[in-house]
Amino acid sequence: DVKVTQSSRYLVKRTGEKVFLECVQDMDHENMFWYRQDPGLGLRLIYFSYDVKMKEKGDIPEGYSVSREKKERFSLILESASTNQTSMYLCASIRGVGQPQHFGDGTRLSIL
Amino acid sequence: LAKTTQPISMDSYEGQEVNITCSHNNIATNDYITWYQQFPSQGPRFIIQGYKTKVTNEVASLFIPADRKSSTLSLPRVSLSDTAVYYCLVGEGSSGGYQKVTFGTGTKLQVIP
Repeated sequence: DVKVTQSSRYLVKRTGEKVFLECVQDMDHENMFWYRQDPGLGLRLIYFSYDVKMKEKGDIPEGYSVSREKKERFSLILESASTNQTSMYLCASIRGVGQPQHFGDGTRLSIL
Repeated sequence: LAKTTQPISMDSYEGQEVNITCSHNNIATNDYITWYQQFPSQGPRFIIQGYKTKVTNEVASLFIPADRKSSTLSLPRVSLSDTAVYYCLVGEGSSGGYQKVTFGTGTKLQVIP
């Protein structure tokens, strides 16, 4: 069974800090994604990556960057955290086009 | 990018069949229709995927009419553990690289004892 692991379930950081959220998948999947989920807004795509060192902006990339140095790991970076980035962050991966996404259990990030 | 529209919420009694309909009027030829289930404090979980007509697996059925402008997820004999948010997506079927998909706000299903 595919496993997508996010490094933290809960995280509390301060405004202005640089924050790293890590995601690892164990099934050699090509594509990985970062979403944020807010009440009433569903899941919104921040960034995705279709190969090592490749990335594409999603719908709401402002204030975020990503890194994919190895196929199994996709990192989301908040360069200078702000309170409006308090949210649930979800990582997902798929083997390829047409395949369903496999999600991690999320990181609930609070920025104080 | 195909947009989906679903009811915001639904209630059902235990043991009943539940049908959740999703509208996707501008679905593209290559697009698949995929449904996910999400419990609180967990990531979405794949339920079922289809392209046309009917698809059935061990947990649900998916009905897609010929024009593919809508789809219906059918959950037979729901139990309390089926209380969750259900998302309908279209996309993920492009033959030329990855096609972005959009999650809507989903349908919150509440199963009542």
